[in-house]
Amino acid sequence: KAGVTQTPRYLIKTRGQQVTLSCSPISGHRSVSWYQQTPGQGLQFLFEYFSETQRNKGNFPGRFSGRQFSNSRSEMNVSTLELGDSALYLCASSLAEAGGLFGTQYFGPGTRLTVL
Amino acid sequence: AQSVTQPDIHITVSEGASLELRCNYSYGATPYLFWYVQSPGQGLQLLLKYFSGDTLVQGIKGFEAEFKRSQSSFNLRKPSVHWSDAAEYFCAVGARYGNKLVFGAGTILRVKS
Repeated sequence: KAGVTQTPRYLIKTRGQQVTLSCSPISGHRSVSWYQQTPGQGLQFLFEYFSETQRNKGNFPGRFSGRQFSNSRSEMNVSTLELGDSALYLCASSLAEAGGLFGTQYFGPGTRLTVL
Repeated sequence: AQSVTQPDIHITVSEGASLELRCNYSYGATPYLFWYVQSPGQGLQLLLKYFSGDTLVQGIKGFEAEFKRSQSSFNLRKPSVHWSDAAEYFCAVGARYGNKLVFGAGTILRVKS
């Protein structure tokens, strides 16, 4: 079974631009979560989508948004990029059930975003 | 809210020696606990998880962890470390409802030959 895939793997943008990252979950997984990893803040939860609905959200500004499609693929968008948005963005998928019960999360390799 | 503490930022172990990485959590109920490993330039790989039941959990690559409710700990152990185990290790906690992981700051493991 193929793992979680993320595209692109590397991205360079300038301040003020916007960016869209893509995540394809493991087949059959309906939950997709996004995390930001930086040296200073570590791994922080951004949001989780299940059946095309945002179910959980972390403490990030509204510039960070996401969506999920009917095939469970997910995209994350960051608008008006800031230098501090430079990070590794990780996507994880799980078999989490509709009731929100926790499912083991499997991570993709990440997208390395550099903001200049 | 959940929180996770990994007291050791760096640990150096000789190849063949035993390893224990510490993890303490704070959560009001029984948490779901995980250990992940991240090699340079890679995503996170799940080593093992604890949801309920037997408090000694076996994982991949010869790792195990023990859940101790009285100490709010979930320490990771390996009896004999290999050079390929050098990586960063993350402990994480999840609430039963709410598909969000809270991660510790990580412990970087160095293996010396």
